[in-house]
Amino acid sequence: QSALTQPPSASGSPGQSVTISCTGSSGDVGGYNYVSWYQQRPGKAPKLIIFDVSGRPSGVPVRFSGSKSGNTASLTVSGLQAEDEADYYCSSYSGIDNHWVFGGGTKLTVL
Amino acid sequence: QLQLQESGPGLVKPSETLSLTCTVSGGSITNNNYYWGWIRQAPGKGLEWIGSIHFSGGTYYQSSLKNRLTESVDTAKNQFFLKLTSVTAADTAVYYCVSHRFRDGNFETYYFDYWGQGAPVTVSS
Repeated sequence: QSALTQPPSASGSPGQSVTISCTGSSGDVGGYNYVSWYQQRPGKAPKLIIFDVSGRPSGVPVRFSGSKSGNTASLTVSGLQAEDEADYYCSSYSGIDNHWVFGGGTKLTVL
Repeated sequence: QLQLQESGPGLVKPSETLSLTCTVSGGSITNNNYYWGWIRQAPGKGLEWIGSIHFSGGTYYQSSLKNRLTESVDTAKNQFFLKLTSVTAADTAVYYCVSHRFRDGNFETYYFDYWGQGAPVTVSS
């Protein structure tokens, strides 16, 4: 069982917006602004798309945005494109035991 | 930009030791903005952080693995290593080595920004 909770699936049509949630606790997501998100296409290594809750690495489209409220972080993909179909994972620092934890992943389908 | 490449046996027998090497290029493993980490993904499952090491030798290990896990670093070769003893079928996974950023200028941060392509490891007799 993953430390962070994500919905197993999400979907949207091209051009729409989709938001994926990531729920933790005050010991991880809620206590620190160290939430990151990763995109994993089939057969590939994960790729960093959001760091420190809402930071976006160079080269990541502005369509990807992150936010946090309390113990829940969110990834929003705006203007969905077919290439956004992938698995998405959230991660957070956990200050309870100096660990880094992941969510179980969300499979995003572009209809 | 950093590039990481895992190497090691793809098949390990139960109860034996899994050993992997990660070679870093495009930057120095002594960069004091980074730890160097391992993350694994069992077949059809999600990501699991295994542990991270600083070039000085300081380590952070996943609690459930710490009795079987050793990480080390060779600064001369720009490599870091994973050893996991007494493996079982539950350790079958793709193992990724990653750069684990913990500092950005004067600010603390934590994320995994560069990933190796992944090394599939099967535990089977």
